[in-house]
Amino acid sequence: NAGVTQTPKFRVLKTGQSMTLLCAQDMNHEYMYWYRQDPGMGLRLIHYSVGEGTTAKGEVPDGYNVSRLKKQNFLLGLESAAPSQTSVYFCASSHIPGQVLNSPLHFGNGTRLTVT
Amino acid sequence: KNEVEQSPQNLTAQEGEFITINCSYSVGISALHWLQQHPGGGIVSLFMLSSGKKKHGRLIATINIQEKHSSLHITASHPRDSAVYICAVNTDKLIFGTGTRLQVFP
Repeated sequence: NAGVTQTPKFRVLKTGQSMTLLCAQDMNHEYMYWYRQDPGMGLRLIHYSVGEGTTAKGEVPDGYNVSRLKKQNFLLGLESAAPSQTSVYFCASSHIPGQVLNSPLHFGNGTRLTVT
Repeated sequence: KNEVEQSPQNLTAQEGEFITINCSYSVGISALHWLQQHPGGGIVSLFMLSSGKKKHGRLIATINIQEKHSSLHITASHPRDSAVYICAVNTDKLIFGTGTRLQVFP
């Protein structure tokens, strides 16, 4: 099993450009999440999904859109990148909490995005 | 006030010391996770708890649902334990604490 795979690993964008980050998991997880991690601020939830075809806003959703057309994939889009979106982005997935014993969180390795 | 609070924020220890990191939360949860992140690295799940206590090697995690509190203990700490330890709780989503930066010196 590959676990959670994030692509790309690194990206540099100019202000106003768009891009899509892909998160793919092969563990049949229902829940998927996108987080950003900034120095001194911990992990902040951008958007999340509790199942195929559903998405919900997290703590810092502005400037991002997501889609979960297939259960295994959760896409994060930046329509018009801004320097404030320079960050490290992590995707995570899990089974429905409490429904599967010993089902930990699985994280991707992160995407380091710089917007100039 | 954050829904998930960790203490301490920073912790230094000598090799061999017993270490405790605390996590308190203010919301109803279905599970609590302890995670580890090495500098510049990915995030690894250490434990998922919904009650009681779990042990893996030198790591022990406990949770008290009534008091809404969890602790992560490291016995016989080692420099390779140096990392950021993060507490996260499951509600309808995941809420993270800001992490505890641990440095263990030889």
